[in-house]
Amino acid sequence: GQSLEQPSEVTAVEGAIVQINCTYQTSGFYGLSWYQQHDGGAPTFLSYNALDGLEETGRFSSFLSRSDSYGYLLLQELQMKDSASYFCAVKGKAAGNKLTFGGGTRVLVKP
Amino acid sequence: DGGITQSPKYLFRKEGQNVTLSCEQNLNHDAMYWYRQDPGQGLRLIYYSQIVNDFQKGDIAEGYSVSREKKESFPLTVTSAQKNPTAFYLCASTKETGRSTDTQYFGPGTRLTVL
Repeated sequence: GQSLEQPSEVTAVEGAIVQINCTYQTSGFYGLSWYQQHDGGAPTFLSYNALDGLEETGRFSSFLSRSDSYGYLLLQELQMKDSASYFCAVKGKAAGNKLTFGGGTRVLVKP
Repeated sequence: DGGITQSPKYLFRKEGQNVTLSCEQNLNHDAMYWYRQDPGQGLRLIYYSQIVNDFQKGDIAEGYSVSREKKESFPLTVTSAQKNPTAFYLCASTKETGRSTDTQYFGPGTRLTVL
């Protein structure tokens, strides 16, 4: 099976930097994905790490370390619109193309 | 515009009733998925289908049923056997290219409440 752990909530001010950690247990997986979900909305894809290292997409960056079973999403120059829930997810090699999601981290950005 | 539509947006059900949630996509995606989300929780997979006329159970399939008669449609029926069906239901789809980077595109969701 697969399981992913994330902090439940993070609060920060506009302009700050937030790091959302994701630790996982899996028997083998293709990569680590991150999705954003605003309250009442649908999740949208943010980034994907197939290999160890840092992937940068604008203000957001994502990191993966397979040896540490760990990844993180870095949100820089926080804006009010970044207030949302963020989910890490893995696509397991033994699970077809199914994604297993973490419980999500709620980010609250304050003025 | 291509996308995934779900209807209705809000659905109320009396105990003991079956209800069907609609999911349609015009993205020409091969695989479709149904997730359940409870307040403050992550997404849990109910059922998924990778090709027409075939589907597999996810992690919480009990009390649910699906069909995949057309590539673009994947309706979910919540049966009376589902003891706690009040939740937010999300449909998603993926174009299966064989690459691990295939991302999932989600519909707007249906919020089901049992009265």
